[in-house]
Amino acid sequence: GDSVTQMEGPVTLSEEAFLTINCTYTATGYPSLFWYVQYPGEGLQLLLKATKADDKGSNKGFEATYRKETTSFHLEKGSVQVSDSAVYFCALSDQAGTALIFGKGTTLSVSS
Amino acid sequence: NAGVTQTPKFQVLKTGQSMTLQCAQDMNHNSMYWYRQDPGMGLRLIYYSASEGTTDKGEVPNGYNVSRLNKREFSLRLESAAPSQTSVYFCASSDPFQPQHFGDGTRLSIL
Repeated sequence: GDSVTQMEGPVTLSEEAFLTINCTYTATGYPSLFWYVQYPGEGLQLLLKATKADDKGSNKGFEATYRKETTSFHLEKGSVQVSDSAVYFCALSDQAGTALIFGKGTTLSVSS
Repeated sequence: NAGVTQTPKFQVLKTGQSMTLQCAQDMNHNSMYWYRQDPGMGLRLIYYSASEGTTDKGEVPNGYNVSRLNKREFSLRLESAAPSQTSVYFCASSDPFQPQHFGDGTRLSIL
């Protein structure tokens, strides 16, 4: 079945460092891909999405490109801030568009 | 601009007690979902409702029941709570192939 694998955390960075969180997927067909962010004590918020191969999703300085050839959707940010500390989830939509399949989440901690 | 509202936010139950978690959305979405979040497990789908009047099992449905009361509301019921059901429960809503919108969660502890 469809699945998402993302890098284990926690990821600990200093402010202004470059961030990459790896995400790879296994799916039949052409799923949409998403990154969600969860701040402490809150629900998940959509960070960015891509719906087809070579699409680049971007938001708040974060970017991810849908790479069909490598089945990847890595999240990047050029310069992280303390306020980016959160848990990040990669997800894909199933073929029917009825549910999301999530990775296990990666905790990011940014220190000043 | 409420979005998805879950009640209660926190609850402690004893083993064997029953409870219903409530969820309501005001975005006129057709689909609604219940997930549970456990450390190191990500989010796992319990049940979903693709449209009013329909419900389907997700990855981990055992021990739960759901009701799609109307287009706005989707409740999750634990008939006989077990410690293994201690978790954070999230409700979400969306239209097909669109991003899901999540509530703030219900933190449930079962002793």
